Amino acid sequence: RKEVEQDPGPFNVPEGATVAFNCTYSNSASQSFFWYRQDCRKEPKLLMSVYSSGNEDGRFTAQLNRASQYISLLIRDSKLSDSATYLCVVNTGFQKLVFGTGTRLLVSP
Amino acid sequence: SQTIHQWPATLVQPVGSPLSLECTVEGTSNPNLYWYRQAAGRGLQLLFYSVGIGQISSEVPQNLSASRPQDRQFILSSKKLLLSDSGFYLCAWNPQGRNTHNEQFFGPGTRLTVL
Repeated sequence: RKEVEQDPGPFNVPEGATVAFNCTYSNSASQSFFWYRQDCRKEPKLLMSVYSSGNEDGRFTAQLNRASQYISLLIRDSKLSDSATYLCVVNTGFQKLVFGTGTRLLVSP
Repeated sequence: SQTIHQWPATLVQPVGSPLSLECTVEGTSNPNLYWYRQAAGRGLQLLFYSVGIGQISSEVPQNLSASRPQDRQFILSSKKLLLSDSGFYLCAWNPQGRNTHNEQFFGPGTRLTVL
């Protein structure tokens, strides 16, 4: 079983739609969790950190369910500029981040 | 503010040739530094990390090595490249001590093609 698993997509949604991605992780001792955004042929950029049950930043909401070992990312009112690959990332311990392979989002006009 | 630089941006090298990729961080001192590789269609793989000058931890045995000759400089090297070394090489940093959650911040990357 992979340490971090994501649906690769792509998720094709129209502008203005709400879309949600899920991610599961296998290490129950994981301490913190992140969503990164990666545009094509670019470096990953930190989108959100998830330390407790979840947090919200504008149109983006991240939630953590430790009992079921999954993290979700909800994007409301999707914009064309939200098209990217979203990486689920888990901190499994000292200096160790484990990256999922990403979920691709395509927002169309 | 902190800035991370990587060069070159793109590199095409023949099999068996040496490699040297450089990463530097500005605007901070004593950062943790990381090298990752992202192969086509795959997730990021941690290769090396460093918590200080001369301190290197290797995550995956392979024909690559890393060095940290200065506080804010991290170098990835190989004596002889393999075809399988092709990929997108990313350097990342985070501050020591205060950041217990380990968010990491990435440089622009070097895209390496080995022919």
